[in-house]
Amino acid sequence: AQSVTQLGSHVSVSEGALVLLRCNYSSSVPPYLFWYVQYPNQGLQLLLKYTSAATLVKGINGFEAEFKKSETSFHLTKPSAHMSDAAEYFCAVSKGTGGSYIPTFGRGTSLIVHP
Amino acid sequence: KAGVTQTPRYLIKTRGQQVTLSCSPISGHRSVSWYQQTPGQGLQFLFEYFSETQRNKGNFPGRFSGRQFSNSRSEMNVSTLELGDSALYLCASSDPGQGKAGANVLTFGAGSRLTVL
Repeated sequence: AQSVTQLGSHVSVSEGALVLLRCNYSSSVPPYLFWYVQYPNQGLQLLLKYTSAATLVKGINGFEAEFKKSETSFHLTKPSAHMSDAAEYFCAVSKGTGGSYIPTFGRGTSLIVHP
Repeated sequence: KAGVTQTPRYLIKTRGQQVTLSCSPISGHRSVSWYQQTPGQGLQFLFEYFSETQRNKGNFPGRFSGRQFSNSRSEMNVSTLELGDSALYLCASSDPGQGKAGANVLTFGAGSRLTVL
């Protein structure tokens, strides 16, 4: 079975500060990993995805994430937070081979950006 | 290209009633998945339809059902509503024909927010 753990249901940063949202996964086979963002009253939209091509993945809006197999982690970072980054962020994992490819989502981390 | 459209956006029902939610996927996307989102449980997978067939099902009671039409539009139905069914119901579409299935990106609609009184 695959699962995702997002550490911290809320993360608060000041505008201009580094954003770090943590995601750890468990999967018995090489996974595909995703970060989605949900703005208020909207559905989720893809920020970036890892599909084994490169361990450092760049996404939209200046976000990037690094796949670390030894740590089973896929943390999301952004060098400088902007007020518009305030949203709910979800990490998701799906299997690359075998079994169901339906992604499993973490419980989400709410990013709060202070002026 | 139009996005995923869900209707209605908001609805209020009372316990015991039933509800039908609709989802129109992105043109060309043949897979439609449904998720229930609540503050306590996060996103929970309900079911996935592909070419009018339910291909995957989550761990929800039989009161939750769905279907997909030949034009890929999908509906989900919840019968005998309970207070705990209050949630945001999200529909997502994808095109399984692009690359490996596990790498498919889901495109979500804005959701249907159901309140059960």
